Amino acid sequence: KAGVTQTPRYLIKTRGQQVTLSCSPISGHRSVSWYQQTPGQGLQFLFEYFSETQRNKGNFPGRFSGRQFSNSRSEMNVSTLELGDSALYLCASSSTIGTGGYEQYFGPGTRLTVT
Amino acid sequence: AQSVTQLDSQVPVFEEAPVELRCNYSSSVSVYLFWYVQYPNQGLQLLLKYLSGSTLVKGINGFEAEFNKSQTSFHLRKPSVHISDTAEYFCAVKGNTGFQKLVFGTGTRLLVSP
Repeated sequence: KAGVTQTPRYLIKTRGQQVTLSCSPISGHRSVSWYQQTPGQGLQFLFEYFSETQRNKGNFPGRFSGRQFSNSRSEMNVSTLELGDSALYLCASSSTIGTGGYEQYFGPGTRLTVT
Repeated sequence: AQSVTQLDSQVPVFEEAPVELRCNYSSSVSVYLFWYVQYPNQGLQLLLKYLSGSTLVKGINGFEAEFNKSQTSFHLRKPSVHISDTAEYFCAVKGNTGFQKLVFGTGTRLLVSP
């Protein structure tokens, strides 16, 4: 079974631009979560989607948004990029959501550099 | 809300020596606990998880962890490490009521030298 895939793997953008990152979950998984990883802040939860609905959201500004499609693939968008948005963006998928110690399977991440 | 503290940012150890990576958490509700490992330029991989039951949890690659409710700790141990265990290790907590998010610690870098 193929793992979680994220595209692109590396991205360089300029301040003020916008960016869209893509995540394809493991086949059959309906939940997708996004995380931002930086040396200073560590791993921060962005949002979680299940069946095309956002079920949980972290403490990020409105410039960060996401969506999930009917095939469970997900995209996240960051508008008006700032230098501080440079990070590794990780996507994780799972088969369930809500209560329960369900396992999340992580993709390799997209390394975003903002110059 | 939950929080996780990993006091050691880096733990150097010699190959074949035992290691313990410390994790303490804070929560007003009961929790699920996880340890993840991240190798360079890769995503996170689940090592083990505590949901309920036995407080000693065994995971992959010879790792184990013990849940201590009174100490609010979930320390990770391995009796004999290998060079290949060099990586970043993250402890994470999730409340077991409602739609809770996974909260990660800041990570501990394990450096295994020959």
